[in-house]
Amino acid sequence: QVQLVQSGAEVKRPGASVRVSCKATGYTFMNHAIHWVRQAPGQSLEWMGWINAGSGTTKFSQQFQDRVTFFRNTSASTAYMELRSLTSEDTAVYFCARNLGYCVTTGCWFDPWGQGTLVTVSS
Amino acid sequence: DIQMTQSPSSLSASVGDRVTITCRASQSISNNLNWYQQKPGKAPNLLIYGASSLQSGVPSRFSGSGSGTDFTLTISSLQPEDFATYYCQQSYNILTFGPGTKVDFK
Repeated sequence: QVQLVQSGAEVKRPGASVRVSCKATGYTFMNHAIHWVRQAPGQSLEWMGWINAGSGTTKFSQQFQDRVTFFRNTSASTAYMELRSLTSEDTAVYFCARNLGYCVTTGCWFDPWGQGTLVTVSS
Repeated sequence: DIQMTQSPSSLSASVGDRVTITCRASQSISNNLNWYQQKPGKAPNLLIYGASSLQSGVPSRFSGSGSGTDFTLTISSLQPEDFATYYCQQSYNILTFGPGTKVDFK
C-alpha cells in the first residue's frame, strides 16, 4: 500500500540544524510532490512547503523560505527536509504528505501522511 | 495569506448524534477545501477533498458541502471512532489550515 515512513525523533540545541527524511513506498515516487507540514504541541497544522519529486522544484511558505531546504533522492524514493537556525519555537512534530491534485490550478490535497517526526529544540 | 476559521472550536456529542462543523475562508476559495481527521498522537487522515468528494475508504456518514467562503463537514451519525479533531485546509492559494474542531464525548 501507499506509505510514507519518516525518520525518528530528534533533539537539537538552539542554533543547530535538523534533517528529517520521508521514504515513499507503494507508488511511483517521481509522480507526486511531497508536502511538509508541522504541528507545534497543542496547535494546528502549519504548511511549510513542497517539493516536486520529479523535477526537484520547490515552493516554500514565506515564514520558512530563508532557513528550510527540501531535496529528494529519486533512486531511494526519499524526500528530505532540512531546517536551520533552530529555536525553541521550532519544537514540533514534522509531517510529510503526498500531494494529490494540482495545487496551482484546481486544488490539491494530502494523502497519505507520514507518521510524523518529533523535533525537540532545547538547551 | 487566506485565513481559515472553524466553528465551534470544540463540541461534545454522543454516539449517534448528527454533527456539523463549519469552516470559513477570509476570501473566496472556490471549492478548494479539504477536511482531515486527526486522533491524538497520529497523523491527519484525509476525509473530504474538493469541498464535497469523499476520499476512498472513508465511511459515507462523512459528507462535505459549500463553496466560495463557507463550508461544512457533517457526520450523520457519530461513531465511537469519530471522536477526534477535525481540520479544514484551503488549497486555493498558499496552503493554510483552520484551527481545528475537537469532538469529544458528552
